Amino acid sequence: DTGVSQDPRHKITKRGQNVTFRCDPISEHNRLYWYRQTLGQGPEFLTYFQNEAQLEKSRLLSDRFSAERPKGSFSTLEIQRTEQGDSAMYLCASSRTGSDTEAFFGQGTRLTVV
Amino acid sequence: GENVEQHPSTLSVQEGDSAVIKCTYSDSASNYFPWYKQELGKRPQLIIDIRSNVGEKKDQRIAVTLNKTAKHFSLHITETQPEDSAVYFCAASLGGAQKLVFGQGTRLTINP
Repeated sequence: DTGVSQDPRHKITKRGQNVTFRCDPISEHNRLYWYRQTLGQGPEFLTYFQNEAQLEKSRLLSDRFSAERPKGSFSTLEIQRTEQGDSAMYLCASSRTGSDTEAFFGQGTRLTVV
Repeated sequence: GENVEQHPSTLSVQEGDSAVIKCTYSDSASNYFPWYKQELGKRPQLIIDIRSNVGEKKDQRIAVTLNKTAKHFSLHITETQPEDSAVYFCAASLGGAQKLVFGQGTRLTINP
């Protein structure tokens, strides 16, 4: 499968623990996006990178959230001191740069905070 | 910022009939409008998109129309089949795939 891959697919953690998710985009895509999707809702934008630069962050991304893309390839999303409200599906997507582009999504990481 | 409203939230149609899902957006500068299909437990998959320089686009049984003046766009599925059952999301953005703002989704059920 040469699409966007995310790891892990599922994560159960206790409240207060830190978690980290990984996203590997399609190899020739230099843009990478993180979205959060709660049950019954559409994905909500969190942040995106162009190469290694983080160009925009949503106000949804509290100080407990941090994302990196150190070499412009894979990205990590870390949530510190998890709360029950963080339970959601975290989706990664990638695209080429430009106005005539489309985003391809990964399968997502489902986080459950107990 | 951009806000996208999607209706209806659920839609049930008989197999072979047509289904229409409508979205409105608030930012007149938005110029890219994709539609994604998401089956239970799976990733959102792009099924069709339209850019603001055209009013309609068709791909086999799926079509999308865009009215820039009214700031709304619609998904039309003809000759529906059971495998069309899924949740459909519209989205809008400025400049291609960058920072998509999604609607709330429509759960489409095709009854045999």
